[in-house]
Amino acid sequence: KAGVTQTPRYLIKTRGQQVTLSCSPISGHRSVSWYQQTPGQGLQFLFEYFSETQRNKGNFPGRFSGRQFSNSRSEMNVSTLELGDSALYLCASRLAPQGTDTQYFGPGTRLTVL
Amino acid sequence: AQSVTQLDSQVPVFEEAPVELRCNYSSSVSVYLFWYVQYPNQGLQLLLKYLSGSTLVESINGFEAEFNKSQTSFHLRKPSVHISDTAEYFCAVVNTGFQKLVFGTGTRLLVSP
Repeated sequence: KAGVTQTPRYLIKTRGQQVTLSCSPISGHRSVSWYQQTPGQGLQFLFEYFSETQRNKGNFPGRFSGRQFSNSRSEMNVSTLELGDSALYLCASRLAPQGTDTQYFGPGTRLTVL
Repeated sequence: AQSVTQLDSQVPVFEEAPVELRCNYSSSVSVYLFWYVQYPNQGLQLLLKYLSGSTLVESINGFEAEFNKSQTSFHLRKPSVHISDTAEYFCAVVNTGFQKLVFGTGTRLLVSP
């Protein structure tokens, strides 16, 4: 089975712009989660989608949003970019949002905000 | 809410030496525990997990971790490390209520010859 794929792998944006990141889960996985990884804050949970519905949300401002499509693919959008949004954004998929289901991570999208 | 503490930000060891990476968690309810590894410029890979049953769990590449409920710990060990084990290791917890992973801050394992 193909793993979790994320596009693009690298992005450079300027402050004030918006960005959309894409994630394709493992075939058959219907749950997709997003995480932000920074050297200072570590790995922080953004949100999780299951069956096109947001199931869980972390403590991030409303500038961070996401959605999931009927084929389980997910996108994450960040509007009005700030320097502090520079990070590695990781997507993870699992069969369903159950604690026993292992999350499988993609390689990430490295976002740099100038 | 649950939380995870990885006290060691960096652990340097020599090749073929044993290593222990410490992980402690706090939660008011039952939890599931995970160790993930991240190699440079890559995403996270699952190393091993504890869901229930035997408190000692093993990975295919020689790592093991033991769930200790009384000490709320899930330390990761390997009796003999290789250069290729150099990576960052993350401990994570999920409880049956929130069902989302909460990660520790990570421990960077540096293996030198």
